[in-house]
Amino acid sequence: EAQVTQNPRYLITVTGKKLTVTCSQNMNHEYMSWYRQDPGLGLRQIYYSMNVEVTDKGDVPEGYKVSRKEKRNFPLILESPSPNQTSLYFCASSWGGAGELFFGEGSRLTVL
Amino acid sequence: EDQVTQSPEALRLQEGESSSLNCSYTVSGLRGLFWYRQDPGKGPEFLFTLYSAGEEKEKERLKATLTKKESFLHITAPKPEDSATYLCAVQVRDSNYQLIWGAGTKLIIKP
Repeated sequence: EAQVTQNPRYLITVTGKKLTVTCSQNMNHEYMSWYRQDPGLGLRQIYYSMNVEVTDKGDVPEGYKVSRKEKRNFPLILESPSPNQTSLYFCASSWGGAGELFFGEGSRLTVL
Repeated sequence: EDQVTQSPEALRLQEGESSSLNCSYTVSGLRGLFWYRQDPGKGPEFLFTLYSAGEEKEKERLKATLTKKESFLHITAPKPEDSATYLCAVQVRDSNYQLIWGAGTKLIIKP
């Protein structure tokens, strides 16, 4: 089954404690992206990757890091989380470009 | 500035009552327009891609249309399971890697 898998699905953490949200896709997609979704602000892109070892900033990259060492994986790293990073995070992938995206189920992160 | 606006913010319909959702866009050049459906607490699910004015796509009770300024998502005889938030996103000609998202329309279909 084609899918984008994110872990963890739910996480409560404290300010400053480094965390990683993993994302894996089984469709051999070249393009992967991270979004955050907040009430009233809609979907905002954090980072995206066009292929292995190629990443670029989206609209709201501050406080986040990413890496793309393998085609299937695109982890999102919060080095020192802060409460304003409390959000619902989505990973997405596609064959090429940003258009027809497959989204993961989401990771709800709370930073206290 | 490139912008995507969806209206209305929310729409309540009775089962079987047809209606339309609007996505208007102001961009420097359109590469593609995309419709997604999002259920509460889940990731968006891709529905349609439209590339040029006059194009139409259909899937079950949904039909998407495109003009040079806006797109409509027509819902014919909706059922309660069509309740969801419908998102519109635009890809501009200069960028293959980013989308401009609308805020969405929350659709509620009452039985």
